[in-house]
Amino acid sequence: QSVLTQPPSVSGAPGQRVTISCTGSSSNIGAGYDVHWYQQLPGTAPKLLIYGNSNRPSGVPDRFSGSKSGTSASLAISGLQAEDEADYYCQSYDSSLSGSVFGGGTKLTVL
Amino acid sequence: QITLKESGPTLVKPTQTLTLTCTFSGFSRSTSGVGVGWIRQPPGKALEWLALIYWDDDKRYRPSLKSRLTITKDTSKHQVVLTMTNMDPEDTATYYCAHRRSDRSWNYWGQGTLVTVSS
Repeated sequence: QSVLTQPPSVSGAPGQRVTISCTGSSSNIGAGYDVHWYQQLPGTAPKLLIYGNSNRPSGVPDRFSGSKSGTSASLAISGLQAEDEADYYCQSYDSSLSGSVFGGGTKLTVL
Repeated sequence: QITLKESGPTLVKPTQTLTLTCTFSGFSRSTSGVGVGWIRQPPGKALEWLALIYWDDDKRYRPSLKSRLTITKDTSKHQVVLTMTNMDPEDTATYYCAHRRSDRSWNYWGQGTLVTVSS
C-alpha cells in the first residue's frame, strides 16, 4: 500500500481534460513538502513531468499542469492526445521515512 | 547532459546478495541536497524508493529495508553501487538509478534493469 493515494485509472476522449488526484498526510504533502509528477510510458523509465507542485521541465507541453492544496495535489492534462496514454505517479518527501514516497500510480486511457 | 545506466545480474537465487552498479555522466560537482538513488518497480506495481547517497557521502535508506541495503559511491569512477542482501522472490523488480535534485525530485533516470529472484 502506497503512502500517497492515487486513483488506479482515469480515462478521457481525445481533446478532453482529465485530472489525477494524489492524497497524502501530515508527514508528507501536508507538511509542506513539494509534490512532483512522473509520466511512465509502457516499457520505459519514468520521466519527470511536473516539479515543485506546478513547474514544467523544459520540453513538457503546457497541456500538463499541477497544483497542490493542503494534504493533496492534482495533475491536470488538457487537450488529451493518444500519446498521453501512460501511467502517472505523484511523489513527495516523507519526514517519517526520511525519504521519497510515491503514489500507487494512475493509468490514463485515451478512449 | 546527464545520463545514468544500471548494470548487474538479471537473475539471482533466493538468499543471495544483489549488487547493482549505476554509472553516470554529465555531473560531478554538486550543490547541497543533490544525490543519486535507487528506486525499484515490481512487475505491474508502483515505484518504491530504496536508497539515496548525497554528494557529501551522507546516506538514506528505506526504513523497512535498511538492514539489507548498502549504498556507496566512487566519484572517480562515476559510479554508485547498491547491495541488497538476502534476496527474496518478492524483490523481483526493475531497479532504476536516478539523479535527485535539491528540490527532492528525480529528474534523470536510467533505463532500468530487471532483476528476477528465482531458484
